[in-house]
Amino acid sequence: AQSVTQPDIHITVSEGASLELRCNYSYGATPYLFWYVQSPGQGLQLLLKYFSGDTLVQGIKGFEAEFKRSQSSFNLRKPSVHWSDAAEYFCAVGPTYNTDKLIFGTGTRLQVFP
Amino acid sequence: GAVVSQHPSRVICKSGTSVKIECRSLDFQATTMFWYRQFPKKSLMLMATSNEGSKATYEQGVEKDKFLINHASLTLSTLTVTSAHPEDSSFYICSAQNPGINTEAFFGQGTRLTVV
Repeated sequence: AQSVTQPDIHITVSEGASLELRCNYSYGATPYLFWYVQSPGQGLQLLLKYFSGDTLVQGIKGFEAEFKRSQSSFNLRKPSVHWSDAAEYFCAVGPTYNTDKLIFGTGTRLQVFP
Repeated sequence: GAVVSQHPSRVICKSGTSVKIECRSLDFQATTMFWYRQFPKKSLMLMATSNEGSKATYEQGVEKDKFLINHASLTLSTLTVTSAHPEDSSFYICSAQNPGINTEAFFGQGTRLTVV
C-alpha cells in the first residue's frame, strides 16, 4: 500500500541550528515527492518537489531535500533555521508531477527557540 | 503563488445537522479541486476530486452521499457534510488547480469541524 511516514511528530530546534525532517515512503511506482509547509491559519505551501534527475532538490525559503531511493527517503533540510520557519511540515507522494491525488504524511511540527 | 480561501476555518455543529465548507480560488480559475481529510494524528487523505461542471470522483471508502461535493463554478467548490456525527469531526482541507496552466495545486487553510 502507498504510504508516507514522518517519524517525528514534533521537533524543537534553536534558531540558527541546522534542521533535518525525515520522510520515508512506500510506493509501488516511480514516486513523485513533495514537501509542504503550513503556518498557523494558512494553507499548505509547496516548498519543493522531486520527480527525476538530480536527487538533491532546492526549494524556497532555503530548504532542500535529498531523494535516496535505496532508503526510500526524502528528507528535508535547512542549514540554519529562522524563527519564522516554525510551522507544520508535510511530506507527500503522488503519482505524477501534478500535485493532485497526493498521499500525505502525518506532519512534523517544528518549534524554533530563540 | 495563487490564493485559495477556505471558509469557515472552524465550525462546531450539533449531531444530525449538515455543514457546508467553501473553497474558493481567488485569483485563478480552478478547473479541478481536491478535498482532503485529516484524522487526528493521521495523514491527510484525499477524499474526492471534483472537476468544474461534473460529478466528483470519490476515493474508495468515502461515502458520496455523506460528503456532498459541488463544483458549480471555476472559482468555487463546496463540501457539505450531511447528517454530521461526532466521528465526522476532523480537519478538512481543499486544494485547487488549473492543470492546463500549472502543475501545482494550491491549498486552502483548512476547516476544523467539531460535531457535538
